[in-house]
Amino acid sequence: ETGVTQSPTHLIKTRGQQVTLRCSSQSGHNTVSWYQQALGQGPQFIFQYYREEENGRGNFPPRFSGLQFPNYSSELNVNALELDDSALYLCASSLGAFDSANEKLFFGSGTQLSVL
Amino acid sequence: GNSVTQMEGPVTLSEEAFLTINCTYTATGYPSLFWYVQYPGEGLQLLLKATKADDKGSNKGFEATYRKETTSFHLEKGSVQVSDSAVYFCALNSNSGYALNFGKGTSLLVTP
Repeated sequence: ETGVTQSPTHLIKTRGQQVTLRCSSQSGHNTVSWYQQALGQGPQFIFQYYREEENGRGNFPPRFSGLQFPNYSSELNVNALELDDSALYLCASSLGAFDSANEKLFFGSGTQLSVL
Repeated sequence: GNSVTQMEGPVTLSEEAFLTINCTYTATGYPSLFWYVQYPGEGLQLLLKATKADDKGSNKGFEATYRKETTSFHLEKGSVQVSDSAVYFCALNSNSGYALNFGKGTSLLVTP
């Protein structure tokens, strides 16, 4: 039990639609990161938010965007869905301004997104 | 950028067998190295980590040693249990420092 919850668990969308995925971090965790895990692959870093500001981004286009709220919840929004966006989306929280060398990430169980 | 390569699975072992999952890395500087585990239906959990050369990370009977000379961080366990069945991911911190770069994962199935 990591204390990080994600909703919904599964989601089916059509190409071109928009989707919002939600994450609730552990209380007190100021950093949230989002990862995309395609089938048979390791998680790929999308972006990270620290105290409601984006402070790091991976190699994902601008149609992937996020929000972080003061109550330790966050959202991942994806516009103009493509078939290749089908994946498990994981959020992970950590206590401070995340330093991957020293901080422990707490992952949620993920949202499985299928784009048809 | 920093990356890891880990052996492909699936790996199938009998209970009490010895486990090795190979992981090698490519990096600039001196990254920290991690093993994460993903049990069915759950998110990833940190299993162990090592932050500098020759460090040994250990947890729940699993061990891995940070080998700078061979750029490796192989995961080992002397006697696996059915409950160890999961997907194991090797990872290192990215060049930016605020993200983890994961390998593709190795699926382990332990049979009674």
